[in-house]
Amino acid sequence: QVQLQESGPGLVKPSETLSLMCSVSADSVTRYGHYWGWVRQPPGKGLEWVGSMSSSGNAYYNPSFESRLTISFDIWKNQFSLKLGSVSAADTAVYFCVRQRMVSGTIDAWGPGTLVTVSS
Amino acid sequence: EIVLTQSPGTLALTPGERATLSCRASQPVSFHVAWYQQKPGQTPRLIIDEASSRAPGVPDRFSGSGSGTDFTLTISRLEPEDFAVYYCQQYGRTFGQGTKVEIK
Repeated sequence: QVQLQESGPGLVKPSETLSLMCSVSADSVTRYGHYWGWVRQPPGKGLEWVGSMSSSGNAYYNPSFESRLTISFDIWKNQFSLKLGSVSAADTAVYFCVRQRMVSGTIDAWGPGTLVTVSS
Repeated sequence: EIVLTQSPGTLALTPGERATLSCRASQPVSFHVAWYQQKPGQTPRLIIDEASSRAPGVPDRFSGSGSGTDFTLTISRLEPEDFAVYYCQQYGRTFGQGTKVEIK
């Protein structure tokens, strides 16, 4: 059964770049049939799709983040990353890495999530 | 950008009652809608895939329907463990704002 695990700093300063990594086990980020992506949830609020990348490397970003967002693979480590630039307090959230089915986009696996706080 | 609107925001019911949750899309999304359940402090759990397919292990009291712009999640008889927040999502992208099902 696939497992995902987020890692990265829990505290980021305003205007800096938020960087997270997701480690994948029991599956391959390059195996056809899935997307790999990020969902976030501000404290006490709802879920927000951030962006996804297909197994072939095509990236799809939420337009709200597009200008400051990069999702990429490290295929040798079987990981994928999120970089969100110019952060503000509004980016404080639990960030989940997820696996999505290519045909439907349905999220069928979630990491446990990691809280990232943007504060000076 | 497609917007999903869920209603009601909160549904207060007693165990054994029927829950009907709505998700409306601003543009047609075919049947590419999934429903997730989230309990406090937990990761969301897939309940319904492709509008009407129950995920493995989900009790048959959960059912989904709809296509195009209007979708419904129905819980036929609420069990205590069903009280949670439910989100719809279209094609792996936009989420609705959630419906909280709480004990009346």
